[in-house]
Amino acid sequence: GENVEQHPSTLSVQEGDSAVIKCTYSDSASNYFPWYKQELGKGSQLIIDIRSNVGEKKDQRIAVTLNKTAKHFSLHITETQPEDSAVYFCAARPTSGGSYIPTFGRGTSLIVHP
Amino acid sequence: EAGVTQFPSHSVIEKGQTVTLRCDPISGHDNLYWYRRVMGKEIKFLLHFVKESKQDESGMPNNRFLAERTGGTYSTLKVQPAELEDSGVYFCASSQRYTDYSTDTQYFGPGTRLTVL
Repeated sequence: GENVEQHPSTLSVQEGDSAVIKCTYSDSASNYFPWYKQELGKGSQLIIDIRSNVGEKKDQRIAVTLNKTAKHFSLHITETQPEDSAVYFCAARPTSGGSYIPTFGRGTSLIVHP
Repeated sequence: EAGVTQFPSHSVIEKGQTVTLRCDPISGHDNLYWYRRVMGKEIKFLLHFVKESKQDESGMPNNRFLAERTGGTYSTLKVQPAELEDSGVYFCASSQRYTDYSTDTQYFGPGTRLTVL
């Protein structure tokens, strides 16, 4: 089965700095990679996702990069703000072959200090 | 549009007791998923409903866990009897598409934190 490793488990940055969270996966059949943000007491919100036919995707201060050869993908947050503080989860999922259940990383607790 | 809701937000029970968790998916979503995150570990899949039918329950840990989705709307997850290792956060997610999973997006609820003493 798929195995997703996520690092670091905790990331502390100053407001305005950049934050990078990295994930690796093991199953080459995975071709959809969503990132979720979970704030205390709220549902996990899909913040960005990337499919295997794309190497990079940006949405304002958030970007995700994917290296299929190396089987790793990363979340980049620029100009961090205190409201970016949350737990971030990466996931990997195939989109064919009848399997649609994502495999998640263990999460990264991002703390942005004002 | 209301998101996925879960009740209760937190439950503390004694070992051997029974607990029932509830999930209300986004209206109109046929797919409903249950996941669990044990402290410090990854989110693990438990089971998947398509409407009222169990599509995949390969992640259910044992027969102490029973999930239902009568009528294809809300779902309940019952743990009976609860054990210490059942402690964790139970997430529910829902998605709309049931014919094209390649573009399926799952929306997660806030989770229920279960503590078994």
